[in-house]
Amino acid sequence: QVQLQQWGAGLLKPSETLSLTCAVYGGSFNDYYWTWIRQPPGKGLEWIGEINHTGSTKSSPSLKSRVTMSVDTSKNQFSLKLSSVTAADTAMYYCEGNHDALDFWGQGTMVTVSA
Amino acid sequence: SYELTQPPSVSVSPGQTARITCSGDALPKKFAYWFQQKSGQAPVLVIYEDSKRPSGIPERFSGSSSGTMATLTVSGAQVEDEADYYCYSTDSSGNYGVFGGGTKLTVL
Repeated sequence: QVQLQQWGAGLLKPSETLSLTCAVYGGSFNDYYWTWIRQPPGKGLEWIGEINHTGSTKSSPSLKSRVTMSVDTSKNQFSLKLSSVTAADTAMYYCEGNHDALDFWGQGTMVTVSA
Repeated sequence: SYELTQPPSVSVSPGQTARITCSGDALPKKFAYWFQQKSGQAPVLVIYEDSKRPSGIPERFSGSSSGTMATLTVSGAQVEDEADYYCYSTDSSGNYGVFGGGTKLTVL
């Protein structure tokens, strides 16, 4: 059973950089695609981007210019940075791992952007 | 950019069949996935690759895809199936992922 535990700052000021990390416990880290997803309060899911164990990434076109993702296979961790945040980036951020029928989510981190 | 379109809401009585649709131009070439999200919880995968059901998901959940539309069917919907349901797929080149806007399923 794979478990994901995520952490990062929950309160940011406009123009700061959001930084989140997700640690993976159990399973084979190299078998999964590792994804970041967010959900503004009361709204739907938004796909942010995906990374694999080689560091190959895919990002949403709407966020691509501000998103940086990285992976540390020695620690079974992957990370998200989102630069120049605004109030529109306020959301619950989830990390997720998927491989065929297997799909696991982190507990979520609520990130609020406020001056 | 690419979009997936879902109805905002679907309502059925307990025991009836609920159908939730998801339309997108790339669905003839790309798989659809369906997630269930109950209030205050992380989403749960209920259907992958159009019609496959992960272990532990009740048999009343099924999926299909034809042309530009994917459909999640809940046969004999139960009160505990009340949730938001999201379809997910990728653009035609597989360059990025997209979620549909979500459908609130009400069973009462």
